[in-house]
Amino acid sequence: GENVEQHPSTLSVQEGDSAVIKCTYSDSASNYFPWYKQELGKGPQLIIDIRSNVGEKKDQRIAVTLNKTAKHFSLHITETQPEDSAVYFCAAWDAGGTSYGKLTFGQGTILTVHP
Amino acid sequence: AAGVIQSPRHLIKEKRETATLKCYPIPRHDTVYWYQQGPGQDPQFLISFYEKMQSDKGSIPDRFSAQQFSDYHSELNMSSLELGDSALYFCASSLGPEGTDTQYFGPGTRLTVL
Repeated sequence: GENVEQHPSTLSVQEGDSAVIKCTYSDSASNYFPWYKQELGKGPQLIIDIRSNVGEKKDQRIAVTLNKTAKHFSLHITETQPEDSAVYFCAAWDAGGTSYGKLTFGQGTILTVHP
Repeated sequence: AAGVIQSPRHLIKEKRETATLKCYPIPRHDTVYWYQQGPGQDPQFLISFYEKMQSDKGSIPDRFSAQQFSDYHSELNMSSLELGDSALYFCASSLGPEGTDTQYFGPGTRLTVL
């Protein structure tokens, strides 16, 4: 099955700085990579996703890059704001040989943006 | 926009009791996923349903069962509860069961087993 590794586990930045979170995956057949933001006591919220037919996707201050050869993908947040503080999870779709498959999550990154 | 609804939001049970968690997907979504998230952990996939049929199974204990009903809502039934079952339980829904169909998560049910 799929194995997703996420780094760093914690990230502290000053407001206005950029933040980068990296993930690697093991299954070369994976073709969908979403990123979720989870605030305390809430469910994960999708912030951006990328499919394997593109190498980069951007949505305002958030961007994701995908390197299928190296099997890694990264989340980039520019001009960070205190409200960006949360736990961020990457995930990869694991077909796993079954009919549809499932999402496998990374371990999460606690992002803290200091005013 | 309508989101995934989960009930109850909080549930306290004693060991060996049973619990039922409910999930109401986003309208028109036909696929439901259940996840368990322990403190400081990432969500772990339990089970999923597409068009009322089980579509995939993860690390779900035999003490747990789930189903999806004709209106697409789903229920997770948990029996013989153990202390280790204390966790956040999330339901997610998508329009379609394929890997590229975006999953939207509900607010979760916090289960505490005493």
